[in-house]
Amino acid sequence: SYVLTQPPSVSVAPGRTARITCGGHHIGSTSVHWYQQKPGQAPVLLIYYDSNRPSGIPERFSGSSSGNTATLAISRVEAGDEATYFCQVWDSTTDHRVFGGGTKLTVL
Amino acid sequence: EVQLVESGGGLIQPGGSLRLSCAASGFTVSGNYMSWVRQAPGKGLEWVSIIYSGDGTYYADSVKGRFTISRDNFKNTLYLQMSSLRVEDTALYYCAGTIGAAVYFAYWGQGTLVTVSS
Repeated sequence: SYVLTQPPSVSVAPGRTARITCGGHHIGSTSVHWYQQKPGQAPVLLIYYDSNRPSGIPERFSGSSSGNTATLAISRVEAGDEATYFCQVWDSTTDHRVFGGGTKLTVL
Repeated sequence: EVQLVESGGGLIQPGGSLRLSCAASGFTVSGNYMSWVRQAPGKGLEWVSIIYSGDGTYYADSVKGRFTISRDNFKNTLYLQMSSLRVEDTALYYCAGTIGAAVYFAYWGQGTLVTVSS
């Protein structure tokens, strides 16, 4: 089955750019979706089809994907961005949905 | 406004059965792909099952043969029938909906907690 690999944690100072990676075999050939989950809350869709933002998601959040790595970038990081971020793909060979293990973002 | 409200969780002994429900409003369960996603305490998200608008269903290997996803179009409600429950099934179970045939989850409920313990 398809495996997505994320770093367990990323730390960034306020105002800087955080980059969270999601590794997978030829992930650049499929669509990647990102979710933000704050403690005690349900996940929220952040980015869909690699780089699209749902309405209400700030432009500070952006996504890209190429080769074996997809990246979620958060510019001008704020304290309120502290959360766990998950990537997700559709595995077309099994029709399963697959999540990465999640990355906890800490704002220093 | 889309709302997905899960219910049916609780404490159950290993080997037992439980049925989860997800009542939708502002959103048509039958016209969109609907999934269950779970999250064990302190862990990440795990996709569990999906039902397509055309009634096709798929399951994660960890629950295949034990869980059954279904929906009641009249009640606009999604279900997850869980049997032969194991301690490792303990998790917060989320109902998640797509928009049409999209492969991402646009809408999420707040979850219902299932605890499997003797």
